[in-house]
Amino acid sequence: GEDVEQSLFLSVREGDSSVINCTYTDSSSTYLYWYKQEPGAGLQLLTYIFSNMDMKQDQRLTVLLNKKDKHLSLRIADTQTGDSAIYFCAESKAGNTPLVFGKGTRLSVIA
Amino acid sequence: NAGVTQTPKFRVLKTGQSMTLLCAQDMNHEYMYWYRQDPGMGLRLIHYSVGEGTTAKGEVPDGYNVSRLKKQNFLLGLESAAPSQTSVYFCASSLGGRKQETQYFGPGTRLLVL
Repeated sequence: GEDVEQSLFLSVREGDSSVINCTYTDSSSTYLYWYKQEPGAGLQLLTYIFSNMDMKQDQRLTVLLNKKDKHLSLRIADTQTGDSAIYFCAESKAGNTPLVFGKGTRLSVIA
Repeated sequence: NAGVTQTPKFRVLKTGQSMTLLCAQDMNHEYMYWYRQDPGMGLRLIHYSVGEGTTAKGEVPDGYNVSRLKKQNFLLGLESAAPSQTSVYFCASSLGGRKQETQYFGPGTRLLVL
């Protein structure tokens, strides 16, 4: 199966919270990442979490990590239209190997 | 700093033609990557480099070649373009050699092969 899995689409109303989920398979992953891709642009790092942490909060963003279930989530509070984008989950593998990305979740924010 | 730049931004090729995509970074990063992005497929790694003069295959290397003659540049070549290579190509770079590796992406090159 896929190394990193995400649902492809999510639609929320402006002002609501968005939760984007991701599952990964490599228990040795040391860091997990969330990247954002706006239309017509490259990916930009949003945040990352070290594998020995359960939660990381950064303003409107909350990352939750359940290492036992290999489940990562990104919560965006008070979602705005500017949050409409594709969000990629990625994991780092052991050694100097490249990140493994999920297929991305397209978030649509309805005004 | 310009970060990661890609040339060209957009290109149309005929089947069988060749071309080279250029990626340049001014952050003194050791590692560089080439990805392609297709609808519903996410990002797929084509080739990467962990230092000047080195290259390695990624998930989908067939039909592409790369070179890293200078640390700041990573070139992606298509010797004989095929319609299946129609895609958006992204270059990225990272410091390298650390457990926490943030990748910095270029703006992408949109390639259409007719």
